[in-house]
Amino acid sequence: QSALTQPASVSGSPGQSITISCTGTSSDVGGYNFVSWYQQYPGKAPKLIIYDVSNRPSGVSNRFSGSKSGNTASLTISGLQAEDEGDYYCSSYTSSNTGVFGGGTKLTVL
Amino acid sequence: EVQLVESGGALVQPGLSLRLSCTPSGFTFGDYAMGWVRQAPGKGLEWVTFIRSKGYGGTTEYAASVKGRFTISRDDSQSIAYLQMSSLKTEDTAVYYCARIGNSESYYFDFWGQGTLVTVSS
Repeated sequence: QSALTQPASVSGSPGQSITISCTGTSSDVGGYNFVSWYQQYPGKAPKLIIYDVSNRPSGVSNRFSGSKSGNTASLTISGLQAEDEGDYYCSSYTSSNTGVFGGGTKLTVL
Repeated sequence: EVQLVESGGALVQPGLSLRLSCTPSGFTFGDYAMGWVRQAPGKGLEWVTFIRSKGYGGTTEYAASVKGRFTISRDDSQSIAYLQMSSLKTEDTAVYYCARIGNSESYYFDFWGQGTLVTVSS
């Protein structure tokens, strides 16, 4: 199972909005509504921020939102804040009954 | 409060075996599927394996990279999950995270442990 495709890096200024894409195939992202997103700070465990494409866990800021169109899922962070700087990973269920992660995107807040 | 604590990480020679443990607290362990995700130094996350709850058959799934070498298991009576790793390769070097799958009808990891480092080297 090949990793999902994410941009290596994105950046934005405080207050702006950014979007991170996550491209897969009809065997993973496009075939199921089981896309999740994780935020990770250096040296820390990942944290779930979006599940099942567009749902936010309790306690996660509503500045984070998710969507999907075809084989591509997207994470949008609005009102960018310095604390949002970190690595972001998408993940999807696959037709092999396994999971797969994206390669990760490093977000820099300018 | 949900917590997951991994243990068992170590330096091990190629070809040998190692068993990791995951000890949860703050929830009814038997009601949830559990999984392992790893992260090689400086690299991204890699999905490794998961085991469904007994209510969903307790079945297991594995990434192609570890299938036949790694075995996930669970002991609901002791509330502990294991990852038995055999025929270890240098490319298995990573931080291994234990994580809970938040919903038996879905596949997202809602809580993660702090990770345990496995180093495979001669």
